Amino acid sequence: DTGVSQNPRHKITKRGQNVTFRCDPISEHNRLYWYRQTLGQGPEFLTYFQNEAQLEKSRLLSDRFSAERPKGSFSTLEIQRTEQGDSAMYLCASSLGTGDTQYFGPGTRLTVL
Amino acid sequence: AQSVSQHNHHVILSEAASLELGCNYSYGGTVNLFWYVQYPGQHLQLLLKYFSGDPLVKGIKGFEAEFIKSKFSFNLRKPSVQWSDTAEYFCAVNSRGRGGSQGNLIFGKGTKLSVKP
Repeated sequence: DTGVSQNPRHKITKRGQNVTFRCDPISEHNRLYWYRQTLGQGPEFLTYFQNEAQLEKSRLLSDRFSAERPKGSFSTLEIQRTEQGDSAMYLCASSLGTGDTQYFGPGTRLTVL
Repeated sequence: AQSVSQHNHHVILSEAASLELGCNYSYGGTVNLFWYVQYPGQHLQLLLKYFSGDPLVKGIKGFEAEFIKSKFSFNLRKPSVQWSDTAEYFCAVNSRGRGGSQGNLIFGKGTKLSVKP
């Protein structure tokens, strides 16, 4: 399967702990996006990368959130000092280039107790 | 700010009924438009997209959508639904600025479709 993959699929953590998620995009896709989806809502944009450069960050991405894409391949999203409000599905998508179709991964479901 | 509105939260239809899901967006410039579908237990998949040209676009599984610029709408249609169309449907938009398309998609809240066999 050469689609977008995300790990872990589920994460349960206690409030105040740090968590890190990984996304492996479709190979040769230059753009990588992170979204967050809560119950009853559509995905909300968090940030995106063009190769290794982080080009845009949403206001939703507080200082506790950081994303990286070293070497322009996989990406990680870290949440520090998690809060219950961080509980959500975190989605990763990739696309070949600007404006191209975004292909989504299965997501990582985060539950903060 | 851009936004996307999907009129129906939950639609229940019997098999063979016709489907139309509404989507309106607010943005004054040029946009790319998408419908994504999420089947139970699966990830988001592209159903169809509109970038330019013929405003009536056809997607997978017999779905189509019509872009009406004057109404800022991109409604999804299917003449005859099947039980397997039970899923959640999301309309999304990204803007096309002077430098080309912007990165992020703006999604609506989604419409759950339940098709009774």
